[in-house]
Amino acid sequence: QVQLVESGGGVVQPGRSLRLSCAASGFTFSSYGMHWVRQAPGKGLEWVAVIWYDGSNKYYADSVKGRFTISRDNSKNTLYLQMNSLRAEDTAVYYCALGFDIWGQGTMVTVSS
Amino acid sequence: DIQMTQSPSSLSASVGDRVTITCQASQDISNYLNWYQQKPGKAPKLLIYDASNLETGVPSRFSGSGSGTDFTFTISSLQPEDIATYYCQQYDNLGTFGQGTKVEIK
Repeated sequence: QVQLVESGGGVVQPGRSLRLSCAASGFTFSSYGMHWVRQAPGKGLEWVAVIWYDGSNKYYADSVKGRFTISRDNSKNTLYLQMNSLRAEDTAVYYCALGFDIWGQGTMVTVSS
Repeated sequence: DIQMTQSPSSLSASVGDRVTITCQASQDISNYLNWYQQKPGKAPKLLIYDASNLETGVPSRFSGSGSGTDFTFTISSLQPEDIATYYCQQYDNLGTFGQGTKVEIK
């Protein structure tokens, strides 16, 4: 069945970097656009970034533009989110999503000194 | 950027009640609107897509309507298992979410 599994979360100091991964299985990964969505503790959902099926187009929320980079490796069925210059307000559960139909379980990122 | 205004932010209703949530887009989004259910500690679950289409396996007591800028999500008869937070989301341009509506049992 279709499955998305995020990894790479953890505790990181402000200003440092972290890379999240999302391993996909059960579908033709290279045929679909993929998203990252995040949710700060006790808050609502915030769309973060999208990448086209072939990686040709990428778009970001204003809150992460210039600091985060979405990418994919279709040979490894894996989606990535490179997060640089992290801030306390980036603390959240990060979800990857296939279109918006299927979501992973999320990985927690905590930015704290 | 497209803004989504969802209301109310919370509601309390009795089992069997009809529950309605509204979502307004800051510009015309046609019918590019999703509705999600999220329970604590879980990922969001897609219930309605294209404003009014029920996702496979979702109970028929859930429904959606609207187009353009004004949308409505309805639970026709609230059940205890429907306790959750519900979100609208536009996908006409990227993917803005509404603020969410927390549904509780009275």
